[in-house]
Amino acid sequence: SQQGEEDPQALSIQEGENATMNCSYKTSINNLQWYRQNSGRGLVHLILIRSNEREKHSGRLRVTLDTSKKSSSLLITASRAADTASYFCASQTETSGTYKYIFGTGTRLKVLA
Amino acid sequence: DTGVSQDPRHKITKRGQNVTFRCDPISEHNRLYWYRQTLGQGPEFLTYFQNEAQLEKSRLLSDRFSAERPKGSFSTLEIQRTEQGDSAMYLCASSRSGGTLRWIQETQYFGPGTRLLVL
Repeated sequence: SQQGEEDPQALSIQEGENATMNCSYKTSINNLQWYRQNSGRGLVHLILIRSNEREKHSGRLRVTLDTSKKSSSLLITASRAADTASYFCASQTETSGTYKYIFGTGTRLKVLA
Repeated sequence: DTGVSQDPRHKITKRGQNVTFRCDPISEHNRLYWYRQTLGQGPEFLTYFQNEAQLEKSRLLSDRFSAERPKGSFSTLEIQRTEQGDSAMYLCASSRSGGTLRWIQETQYFGPGTRLLVL
């Protein structure tokens, strides 16, 4: 499979709790991005972390990247019901000047009000 | 900013028929990507254009699939002789590259997708 892996596959939490999801990839990358997808819709870009960065914040989102372990994590703090969605990581790779994104299998997050 | 648009949003066809999908990227975006997404899975890369040049095709893209971006603006994805296994969401995304710098912060903007059902 050309896909990366994410875990957990599904996560159910109460509103106000933090949600952590993890992503692993297989090859060296330029950057790694996280996306959100609401049911049956397109993907929305959340945050990008470059391969030379270790941690990045954006609002309630915190992303870490460990290139030695080829893994990343996304933390959503103080979750809200509106955060209910599927979350995907996408690793950007480059080969001879062409770019490709490899998406993970996704984590389905459900935030209970 | 009108975003990435895709047409049609839904398509139902019979096995063996040909279908064509259209993607209009954000204006001035020189890169355009096609993905396929099946239920419960992440998007799988199909192909990508830089301007009008098709630079990479996935092995998932069989001979029945063809994509074009004739003037470097909109793109079409055609599936010939559709099979039931082609049923999926087909997603288009566009981005603007800033050159060949390795650290460029390239963000993809996705369209709403075209959901294909092959009966």
